Amino acid sequence: ELKVEQNPLFLSMQEGKNYTIYCNYSTTSDRLYWYRQDPGKSLESLFVLLSNGAVKQEGRLMASLDTKARLSTLHITAAVHDLSATYFCAGAPSGTYKYIFGTGTRLKVLA
Amino acid sequence: GAVVSQHPSWVICKSGTSVKIECRSLDFQATTMFWYRQFPKQSLMLMATSNEGSKATYEQGVEKDKFLINHASLTLSTLTVTSAHPEDSSFYICSASPSGIGPDTQYFGPGTRLTVL
Repeated sequence: ELKVEQNPLFLSMQEGKNYTIYCNYSTTSDRLYWYRQDPGKSLESLFVLLSNGAVKQEGRLMASLDTKARLSTLHITAAVHDLSATYFCAGAPSGTYKYIFGTGTRLKVLA
Repeated sequence: GAVVSQHPSWVICKSGTSVKIECRSLDFQATTMFWYRQFPKQSLMLMATSNEGSKATYEQGVEKDKFLINHASLTLSTLTVTSAHPEDSSFYICSASPSGIGPDTQYFGPGTRLTVL
């Protein structure tokens, strides 16, 4: 059974700083997704990572996938207040289409 | 493109009543839709997979008689919470997979917040 864990659960950081959110998963996952959720809102898709070594970047966010280590990272560069949100990673067990979500990381960027 | 809507966005009901939540894919057809629930400050938990024209597949621990799912068309799935109780209060989110692309692509709706008094 696929389990997805994120680290840290809470993150408070100052504007301009860099930080990384880690997403570990327990068994093979065909794909790895990253989503952003603002309070009271649904999910906004950020990245889909399909293969080992995949790296995707959008603005101040960069996601990568290491399937051998069963690890995905979401790196934040020079954080700004607008990035404050909860970030979820999700995996999909091989051969299925069920999304298994991580615990979420609540990010607060202080001005 | 790829817009999913939910209705209502917010509902308050009395304990013991039933509530229906609609999930619509607005600009694509969706053979498969998914229903998730999210408790405050927690992650999303998959409740069930809804396939057009067939019975929904429920995840372990989800009462199918309590959470009735109907996927009568390629653009509409409904979730009915029957005899709702305060512990059913949650944020319900649906997602839809475009037909022909495959269920590994999901577009999420805006969510419905249910409060049972």
